[in-house]
Amino acid sequence: RKEVEQDPGPFNVPEGATVAFNCTYSNSASQSFFWYRQDCRKEPKLLMSVYSSGNEDGRFTAQLNRASQYISLLIRDSKLSDSATYLCVVRKGGGGNKLTFGTGTQLKVEL
Amino acid sequence: NAGVMQNPRHLVRRRGQEARLRCSPMKGHSHVYWYRQLPEEGLKFMVYLQKENIIDESGMPKERFSAEFPKEGPSILRIQQVVRGDSAAYFCASSPPSGDETQYFGPGTRLLVL
Repeated sequence: RKEVEQDPGPFNVPEGATVAFNCTYSNSASQSFFWYRQDCRKEPKLLMSVYSSGNEDGRFTAQLNRASQYISLLIRDSKLSDSATYLCVVRKGGGGNKLTFGTGTQLKVEL
Repeated sequence: NAGVMQNPRHLVRRRGQEARLRCSPMKGHSHVYWYRQLPEEGLKFMVYLQKENIIDESGMPKERFSAEFPKEGPSILRIQQVVRGDSAAYFCASSPPSGDETQYFGPGTRLLVL
């Protein structure tokens, strides 16, 4: 079983749609959680950290359920520029700094 | 403030040659991480270094791969006797010494082994 699992997609949605991505992680020792965005042939860029209380940044909302080991990302009013691969990322605590990445969910926003 | 810099951006090597990938962290950052992304796969952690120290190399292949982060100069990921399976994008990330541990990624080096 992969440490971080995501539906690879692609999710093809019209502009203005709301889309949700889910992610599950297997290591209960994971303490930090992130969503990164990766454009084709580019480096990953941090979209947002994910907190247990849930957090929002503009059109993006992230949720974490520690009991279920489940992370979600909601994108409202999607734009063409949101088209990218969204990477679910976890980091184990205890001084370990390495990030464990999911394989990503591809989003295509269309006119 | 310049971001993480990597060079070369593209590197072509023949089987059996050596590949040297360089990474200069963001200014003020003393932690460097190397990740590898094979075609159609997610990023995989390779090694975590601080100045002159390897902190975690649990993701490094046992042979042919080595990494260093000297007191002066960039971090180097070295691959000896490259094979076709080494073809991948190699990303470097850096983070500050303490507090915010967010990792910021460089543009990557795309290695192609012929």
